[in-house]
Amino acid sequence: GEDVEQSLFLSVREGDSSVINCTYTDSSSTYLYWYKQEPGAGLQLLTYIFSNMDMKQDQRLTVLLNKKDKHLSLRIADTQTGDSAIYFCAEISYYGNNRLAFGKGNQVVVIP
Amino acid sequence: DTGVSQDPRHKITKRGQNVTFRCDPISEHNRLYWYRQTLGQGPEFLTYFQNEAQLEKSRLLSDRFSAERPKGSFSTLEIQRTEQGDSAMYLCASSLEDRGGSPLHFGNGTRLTVT
Repeated sequence: GEDVEQSLFLSVREGDSSVINCTYTDSSSTYLYWYKQEPGAGLQLLTYIFSNMDMKQDQRLTVLLNKKDKHLSLRIADTQTGDSAIYFCAEISYYGNNRLAFGKGNQVVVIP
Repeated sequence: DTGVSQDPRHKITKRGQNVTFRCDPISEHNRLYWYRQTLGQGPEFLTYFQNEAQLEKSRLLSDRFSAERPKGSFSTLEIQRTEQGDSAMYLCASSLEDRGGSPLHFGNGTRLTVT
C-alpha cells in the first residue's frame, strides 16, 4: 500500500539552502512529485522525478531519489521569502491503484 | 490555459444541508480527480474520472457523497446531509493520461465549513 512520511517543520534563513525529506513505502512507485501549497491555495506542482532517475535539477530545485531506501529529498537553493509554504511529496504507481498519495507535508518558514 | 477552476472558493452551510461543488479541468485533460484536505494533513484521494467514467472511489467517499462528470468535461461533487466532519478543503485536479506520467494539476480548492 501507499504510505508517505514527511517531517513537519523547517526554519531557514533567506539565502540559505533548504532540504526537505520524504520517505515512501510503495516500491512500485512510478513517479514522485513535489508540490507547494501557500496558505488558502491549492497545490502547485514544483517538479517530479521518474523512478528510474537518481537526480533531477530544475533551476533552484534539486530532487534526489534513493530508490533502495525509498527516500526522496528536495533541495531549494538560495531560499527566498516566497518559498515559505507547505511542501508535499507524493507518489503514484501506474502498476498499482493509479492514484497520487501524499505525505502530511513539511512547513518551511523562511526568515528574512 | 487557465488552469483548473473550482467554484465556489468558500462554502458555509448548516449541518444537514446539501452542497454541490464544481470543477472545470484544463480543457484537454481527460482525467479528473477529487481530493479532500483537512487541516495539517496532506490531500486524501476521493475519486477519479477518465473522461465521463468514474473509475475509482475511495472508502472515504461515503454514500452521502456523489461525483459526476457528464460529457467528460466539468465535474460536480455533491455532499448530502452534511456533517461537521465534512468540513475540509475539497481539491480538484486534472491530468492528461499518457505513458509519460502526466502530473496532476490542482485547482485552488473549495473550502467547506459545516456549522
